[in-house]
Amino acid sequence: AQTVTQSQPEMSVQEAETVTLSCTYDTSESDYYLFWYKQPPSRQMILVIRQEAYKQQNATENRFSVNFQKAAKSFSLKISDSQLGDAAMYFCAYRSRLAYALNFGKGTSLLVTP
Amino acid sequence: DGGITQSPKYLFRKEGQNVTLSCEQNLNHDAMYWYRQDPGQGLRLIYYSQIVNDFQKGDIAEGYSVSREKKESFPLTVTSAQKNPTAFYLCASSSLGQLSNQPQHFGDGTRLSIL
Repeated sequence: AQTVTQSQPEMSVQEAETVTLSCTYDTSESDYYLFWYKQPPSRQMILVIRQEAYKQQNATENRFSVNFQKAAKSFSLKISDSQLGDAAMYFCAYRSRLAYALNFGKGTSLLVTP
Repeated sequence: DGGITQSPKYLFRKEGQNVTLSCEQNLNHDAMYWYRQDPGQGLRLIYYSQIVNDFQKGDIAEGYSVSREKKESFPLTVTSAQKNPTAFYLCASSSLGQLSNQPQHFGDGTRLSIL
């Protein structure tokens, strides 16, 4: 089974600053999908951004962007102009092209300070 | 609005009791999933279903059972065989269309505790 590792249990960023959350994964597959989900205190899981492995271009969604390094099996999330509402748990997830279930990392808790 | 509804929000189980968590979706999604979340852990897959009347075990299926009699519904039963059921349970669904990068959509979760 593919494993997803988030090496930063907690991160802190000041409002309006930029922060990068790291994620690495282990797979022997060449075609797969990667996701970042946000879980605020309400516990709802919200999709932040997704990346197809066959695409070399890094995905971007407004203030959120990824740095996808396929050879290094790395998928980091950059949050620009951080806002108080960005405070949450962030989970990195992997999905094989041949399956539909997600493999999640253990998450990174992001604290945003004024 | 389309979405996934989980009920109840909070559930308490007595020793030796089976309890059922409800999950309903009106997104017309083919696939549905159940995940368990423990403190300091990511989500772990319990069961998933890609089609009515068919489902597969995930990584931690022991002590749980599911059914998929309708496309919209995927209830999870936590049986008395599950010795450590206290956790947060999340239901999700996704499309199985040609664009297989479709993300999973999640419900708001059910918190299960032991009395």
